[in-house]
Amino acid sequence: QQQVKQSPQSLIVQKGGISIINCAYENTAFDYFPWYQQFPGKGPALLIAIRPDVSEKKEGRFTISFNKSAKQFSLHIMDSQPGDSATYFCAASSGSGNTGKLIFGQGTTLQVKP
Amino acid sequence: NAGVTQTPKFQVLKTGQSMTLQCAQDMNHEYMSWYRQDPGMGLRLIHYSVGAGITDQGEVPNGYNVSRSTTEDFPLRLLSAAPSQTSVYFCASSWGVSRDTEAFFGQGTRLTVV
Repeated sequence: QQQVKQSPQSLIVQKGGISIINCAYENTAFDYFPWYQQFPGKGPALLIAIRPDVSEKKEGRFTISFNKSAKQFSLHIMDSQPGDSATYFCAASSGSGNTGKLIFGQGTTLQVKP
Repeated sequence: NAGVTQTPKFQVLKTGQSMTLQCAQDMNHEYMSWYRQDPGMGLRLIHYSVGAGITDQGEVPNGYNVSRSTTEDFPLRLLSAAPSQTSVYFCASSWGVSRDTEAFFGQGTRLTVV
């Protein structure tokens, strides 16, 4: 049972374009939703995170949109750059943000073409 | 600060062999976790710990043992390696349950079981 479903599996975007990755979850007890970025040969690193008490969070070119009623959240990368090419994972946890126990989506490989 | 350090980076095992993947963190984090990463499946939680002497199972615990005798170290033991355990293993640590906490990941151990 995949508690967090992520799409698309892969994404190709032109430089300057908008990259959008979507995630859906089932467990209504989830209360912390981070996005991680992973470059080849490296461990994942936190990109941005949101709690369900807000519908949107923006940090630079990265924005999380959160729809609690639909149990969906998405990552938008504005003005995508070749350096953004990486694998992105959404995740969720419960228990006031218990990041010792993250449930991850399947991952999206993003390629930004120059 | 070294952050989260995993050793070894690469390992090849024969079926039935045992080994221990090491993980150490120098950030005095309470929470530590082990994940495995497989293509198309994201990261899946194996075991986690909320403090020294306390461990619990994650999504895919079978075939793995853990212990947490100190705050800094959280080794993962494979008692009898199987080809299905071929994967990339990541250790993570975090402060624990608090707002806007972040899980820090190591560089990973790539394990091949033949």
